[in-house]
Order: sequence, then C-alpha cells, then structure tokens
Amino acid sequence: LAKTTQPISMDSYEGQEVNITCSHNNIATNDYITWYQQFPSQGPRFIIQGYKTKVTNEVASLFIPADRKSSTLSLPRVSLSDTAVYYCLVGDRDTGGFKTIFGAGTRLFVKA
Amino acid sequence: DTEVTQTPKHLVMGMTNKKSLKCEQHMGHRAMYWYKQKAKKPPELMFVYSYEKLSINESVPSRFSPECPNSSLLNLHLHALQPEDSALYLCASSQRLAGLNIQYFGAGTRLSVL
Repeated sequence: LAKTTQPISMDSYEGQEVNITCSHNNIATNDYITWYQQFPSQGPRFIIQGYKTKVTNEVASLFIPADRKSSTLSLPRVSLSDTAVYYCLVGDRDTGGFKTIFGAGTRLFVKA
Repeated sequence: DTEVTQTPKHLVMGMTNKKSLKCEQHMGHRAMYWYKQKAKKPPELMFVYSYEKLSINESVPSRFSPECPNSSLLNLHLHALQPEDSALYLCASSQRLAGLNIQYFGAGTRLSVL
C-alpha cells in the first residue's frame, strides 16, 4: 500500500477555507483516496473518497491532479466544530480496500 | 441506520482477567474490522473479517482473539493482556459499492489494563 504524508498540524480561523494536502508518491493504478475525520474519543468518520480529478459532496471537496501523487482536501468556511484530526488513506480498490493503513493525520485547530 | 455499536464503552481489567469486546452493525455490511488506537496516534489495523471469515491478521499477539459469530456481530476476546495494551479499540464495518470501500466506525471501547 502507498504511504501517505500529511502536515502534522494546521491552524485556521472560523469562516476560512482550509486546504489539507496529502502526498502519496507511490500510489498504484488501482488505489483510491479516502479522507476521514476524527474527534477525540470517537471513531473516524468518512468525509470523502475519490480516484481522480475533483469530487465534491456536502461537506468537502477533494482535488486530485492527473499524476495522482497528491490530493487536497478542501473544507469551505470552517467552524470551531471542524477542529479534529484529518486522515488521508490510500487503498486498493480491487481488493475492497480491506487492508487499511492510516497515516499520521493532520490536527486542524480552528480558532474564533 | 449507519451505526456501529461497541460495548462496553469503558473497560478496566487486570492482567489475569478474560474479557470480551463486542461490536454490532445492522447495515448489511459483510466486512468488519478491529483497530487499536493509542493516544495521539492513528488507528492501527488488527483484524479484518470478510463474509464471517478472517481475511487479515496483522500479526496480532494471540492474547487478542477475534470472533465473528454472524454477519452482524464481531467480538474481540482478551486474555492475559499487558499494560501496554491499554488503548481505544475501534470496530468498523464496510461494504463495497462500485469498487469503493467506505468504513463506518463505532465510538470505541476505552480499555485500561492494570
């Protein structure tokens, strides 16, 4: 499985857009990219998943360049409740992504 | 219903005790997972069951024994644990849709080994 690298931490202010970039230089053809959010003492929560180009849902956007060696999670207009750890994962689509390896994650702190 | 329920929420046990963690989902998912998470660290995969059969064991010590009695239940039996096994134990389930795999996590069991 491809290893992922993310910034350890980021700070932002309420109402700003936050972009968290994940590097996955060894991503394989069959790998897809998934982002999870985790609050203290809770299990991770799925945010968004994609394979290429751009994916958008009601909470975030995921930008994936053509070479797929990185991806960027974009959170529009963050609030204090978005303070959490964000994990980027790369998984094997063909095997269902069962072997899941979490990277170190990015601790996002949103200030008032 | 996208809920994965884990019981108990907290567990304190001695090194000679035998205890079990329970996980339940009713989403019809056929893959279920156990993870271990230490403070300020990412979750680490321990076991994966697919269609009630153990498909992945990440070289977990035998003092952790998983069991999948049916498609909705996942247990983790604990015996002779060490203090360093104290952690948050997370259960997840997933179902492949269009080749993609999204995992749904429970809130975890906070385990303390004395």
